[in-house]
Amino acid sequence: NAGVTQTPKFRVLKTGQSMTLLCAQDMNHEYMYWYRQDPGMGLRLIHYSVGEGTTAKGEVPDGYNVSRLKKQNFLLGLESAAPSQTSVYFCASSWREPPYEQYFGPGTRLTVT
Amino acid sequence: EDQVTQSPEALRLQEGESSSLNCSYTVSGLRGLFWYRQDPGKGPEFLFTLYSAGEEKEKERLKATLTKKESFLHITAPKPEDSATYLCAPYGSSNTGKLIFGQGTTLQVKP
Repeated sequence: NAGVTQTPKFRVLKTGQSMTLLCAQDMNHEYMYWYRQDPGMGLRLIHYSVGEGTTAKGEVPDGYNVSRLKKQNFLLGLESAAPSQTSVYFCASSWREPPYEQYFGPGTRLTVT
Repeated sequence: EDQVTQSPEALRLQEGESSSLNCSYTVSGLRGLFWYRQDPGKGPEFLFTLYSAGEEKEKERLKATLTKKESFLHITAPKPEDSATYLCAPYGSSNTGKLIFGQGTTLQVKP
């Protein structure tokens, strides 16, 4: 099993450009999450999904959109990137809601210039 | 409002020098507390889940304990390969699926 995979690993965008981050999991997990991690801020939840076709806002959802058309995939979109969105983005999945543990992907390092 | 604070922010130990990391939390109706390890440039790796005060769990040189207000991660005779950032995340009844992560303690173990 690959677990949780993320594409791409690195990306550089110019302000105003758009992009989509892809997360895939092969553990048949119901729940999927997108976090961002910034120095001194820790991991913060952007959006999450409790099942195929569902999405919900997390702590810092502004400027991001998500979609979960297939159970195994969770997409994070930036419609108009801003320098404040420079961060490391992690996807995670879990079988059900906490206290079931979440399994994380390797991360995507995004720089917006 | 649910809150979590980890201390110290950074810890340097000599190989074999035991110590503890602290995770203080304020969470309504605690349902569980997670500990994760994160190596530089990688995603967090699950270590433990503690469910109730008084519970303890061990894995190799690590032992996690839980009280009603704090969790400790005790590291016994650490090795350089234990160097990483350790994250805690409590989960309460009001979180509805969302974890709140502490900022982490970065541990460096020197040989």
